[in-house]
Amino acid sequence: AQKVTQAQTEISVVEKEDVTLDCVYETRDTTYYLFWYKQPPSGELVFLIRRNSFDEQNEISGRYSWNFQKSTSSFNFTITASQVVDSAVYFCALSGTGRRALTFGSGTRLQVQP
Amino acid sequence: DTGVSQNPRHKITKRGQNVTFRCDPISEHNRLYWYRQTLGQGPEFLTYFQNEAQLEKSRLLSDRFSAERPKGSFSTLEIQRTEQGDSAMYLCASSFLTSGGETQYFGPGTRLLVL
Repeated sequence: AQKVTQAQTEISVVEKEDVTLDCVYETRDTTYYLFWYKQPPSGELVFLIRRNSFDEQNEISGRYSWNFQKSTSSFNFTITASQVVDSAVYFCALSGTGRRALTFGSGTRLQVQP
Repeated sequence: DTGVSQNPRHKITKRGQNVTFRCDPISEHNRLYWYRQTLGQGPEFLTYFQNEAQLEKSRLLSDRFSAERPKGSFSTLEIQRTEQGDSAMYLCASSFLTSGGETQYFGPGTRLLVL
């Protein structure tokens, strides 16, 4: 069975602070894929990143960076110099070769105060 | 580039009525997924298609739910004899499966309220 845990239900920061969203996963697949999606108040899920299990390189995209550690089954997401527009619910998700459908965590609501 | 579209965006119905939602995937995407999201939770998988074949159905998909994807293009999700517990956001996603994996892109969702 696959499972994704996002222990942080809600985080509130002040603009320009750095913030890290945690994601821990469980899977029996040897090949799997990890994702982060953003869900702004409008409700549409926006794809941010996909990471394959065989690629442990960390990734940076502008103010966003992702830290994938297989040893701790974690795929954490850091926003540097947060902005009000980053306010949203962020979901971590997992799929595998055995099950292509996404298994989502319960999400972390990020509030960035001006 | 046109994204995934869903219609209607909102639906209010009375308990016991039937409802149907439509999803139009990104062109040339061979996979289409349906998820359900309730307030404060992450989306939960319902079913998916590869082209016109329905390959997997979740236990969440009771016999009141049916989904189709005729000719491997758009898809419909029908709920018969709606119950108040069916109130949720219904999300559609599409993807193109390659040897390197797939990324699902989501539509805006259909928000269902059953009175």
